Amino acid sequence: QQQVKQSPQSLIVQKGGISIINCAYENTAFDYFPWYQQFPGKGPALLIAIRPDVSEKKEGRFTISFNKSAKQFSLHIMDSQPGDSATYFCAASGMSGSARQLTFGSGTQLTVLP
Amino acid sequence: DSGVTQTPKHLITATGQRVTLRCSPRSGDLSVYWYQQSLDQGLQFLIQYYNGEERAKGNILERFSAQQFPDLHSELNLSSLELGDSALYFCASSVGSTGYEQYFGPGTRLTVT
Repeated sequence: QQQVKQSPQSLIVQKGGISIINCAYENTAFDYFPWYQQFPGKGPALLIAIRPDVSEKKEGRFTISFNKSAKQFSLHIMDSQPGDSATYFCAASGMSGSARQLTFGSGTQLTVLP
Repeated sequence: DSGVTQTPKHLITATGQRVTLRCSPRSGDLSVYWYQQSLDQGLQFLIQYYNGEERAKGNILERFSAQQFPDLHSELNLSSLELGDSALYFCASSVGSTGYEQYFGPGTRLTVT
């Protein structure tokens, strides 16, 4: 059962545009929501994360918007650059027994055209 | 560079064989996590070790096992390999056991022929 649904599967934007990736979760026990960026041939790299007690977090050109009641969160990339072209994964983390587990979305392949 | 190292980078083996993947966490990190990334299943959590002890299990097959050694490096053992085991295997590490801020290694690409 997929617990974190991510869309779109792929996204093409022009340089300077805004990239928006959306995720929805089901498990209300999730309490930490990171985004990871993955370049071809590399491992996922932690980009930005949010906890459900805030509705927005911004780091540079990257912003997470969080809607707890709708169980949705999104990544906005402002002024998108060709170097941002990568696969982005949302994730959700919550306690499972005595340990915390990360559940990943299916990924969004972002292409920023020059 | 995350500071997490994995060896080997690539591994090609035949069905029915056994392989061992190795991971060294970032300096100071006590937790190691293993993930499998495949085209059809995405990124799936397999297992977590914290300071030498198994802490959490995800979607890990019985044919797979892992351990974390006193020097905190970890090994993932895959046996009776099947074609469907072909995937990227990532190791991640974090400071504590809570699983926040996991840092991923570059991965091992396993091809089973």
